[in-house]
Amino acid sequence: GQQLNQSPQSMFIQEGEDVSMNCTSSSIFNTWLWYKQEPGEGPVLLIALYKAGELTSNGRLTAQFGITRKDSFLNISASIPSDVGIYFCAGQLTGNTPLVFGKGTRLSVIA
Amino acid sequence: DAMVIQNPRYQVTQFGKPVTLSCSQTLNHNVMYWYQQKSSQAPKLLFHYYDKDFNNEADTPDNFQSRRPNTSFCFLDIRSPGLGDAAMYLCATSRGTSTDTQYFGPGTRLTVL
Repeated sequence: GQQLNQSPQSMFIQEGEDVSMNCTSSSIFNTWLWYKQEPGEGPVLLIALYKAGELTSNGRLTAQFGITRKDSFLNISASIPSDVGIYFCAGQLTGNTPLVFGKGTRLSVIA
Repeated sequence: DAMVIQNPRYQVTQFGKPVTLSCSQTLNHNVMYWYQQKSSQAPKLLFHYYDKDFNNEADTPDNFQSRRPNTSFCFLDIRSPGLGDAAMYLCATSRGTSTDTQYFGPGTRLTVL
């Protein structure tokens, strides 16, 4: 099925560093969502974006909905060890259509 | 306060032995989804219910069935589990409006022996 191009696939960073990851699509979406998943748990919603150009923050996390509606990025500032996990982007066309997921970015933070 | 609850968290079954996974929600959401997630992969949608309307993904095997007896509960039935069905099964819910967000449960890890 359709998938988003999410990069990077994995990242190893030092504690305190900033992190950036992004997702691109060949088709437009009306909603972009960013989830974090830890081992053995379900994805937890971090940020939801509903308007092109929207920039939204949640603590140290900032995400933007691209103007073309075909991309989104997530930034994490001043990373800490508990940021470790897999970050998934997901796009949705309407409330009645399935989410399309990226393949995930695996983040490792070295203390 | 758990909003999407999945039981059990871990399920072990034998090859070919039917198994049922359970999901409940306290959000009163219209839509409930079942996803299959294999190791290091993104969740893959199996099917979803919009109220009582069932929507099956084209590539979901017939071995997977679902029931939604009321707004709060949704079940995933695997009629004859194979070794390849071992995975994390995630339930999610959403209101089903034009600006929407899906909320996931903690998942059930299925092991097939």
